[in-house]
Amino acid sequence: EAQVTQNPRYLITVTGKKLTVTCSQNMNHEYMSWYRQDPGLGLRQIYYSMNVEVTDKGDVPEGYKVSRKEKRNFPLILESPSPNQTSLYFCASSLSSGHLYEQYFGPGTRLTVT
Amino acid sequence: QKEVEQNSGPLSVPEGAIASLNCTYSDRGSQSFFWYRQYSGKSPELIMSIYSNGDKEDGRFTAQLNKASQYVSLLIRDSQPSDSATYLCAVNKRYGGSQGNLIFGKGTKLSVKP
Repeated sequence: EAQVTQNPRYLITVTGKKLTVTCSQNMNHEYMSWYRQDPGLGLRQIYYSMNVEVTDKGDVPEGYKVSRKEKRNFPLILESPSPNQTSLYFCASSLSSGHLYEQYFGPGTRLTVT
Repeated sequence: QKEVEQNSGPLSVPEGAIASLNCTYSDRGSQSFFWYRQYSGKSPELIMSIYSNGDKEDGRFTAQLNKASQYVSLLIRDSQPSDSATYLCAVNKRYGGSQGNLIFGKGTKLSVKP
């Protein structure tokens, strides 16, 4: 089954404790992206990757890091989480050629930072 | 001016009616336009993409694009209660962004009453 998976689905952590949210897709997609969704602010792009070893900032990259060492994986790293990073996070993927942005979304990760 | 604007709703229509959802965008260089549907507590799913001026039909859905007016809309014919969801308009960002940068509107909540 074609899918984007995220882990964990729910996470409660404390300020300053480094965490990683994993994202994996099994569709051989070149493009992958991370979003956060907040009430009243909508869905905002954090980082995206056009292919392996190619990443770029979205609109709200501060406080986040990403890496793309393999095509299928695109982890989101919060080196020192803060309460304002409490949010619902989505990973998405798509083909780069001809179908860029026609994205498949993962199920979401609800993060709470206390 | 906000980059992608949608009426937040809720938009309420009776079952069987046509639901009309609207979106305006500010980046004249944008070339790719999308409608995603998001059910409460779920991840967004792509329902329509449109790249050139005019109408594009897919089943009960029609997307309409007018680049001169910087306007994209989604019509849902014969609306069903199962169409009740939040509809997100998304536009690629060209000016001030780079390939891969996608901007979402805050979404319009649609309610279809039986």
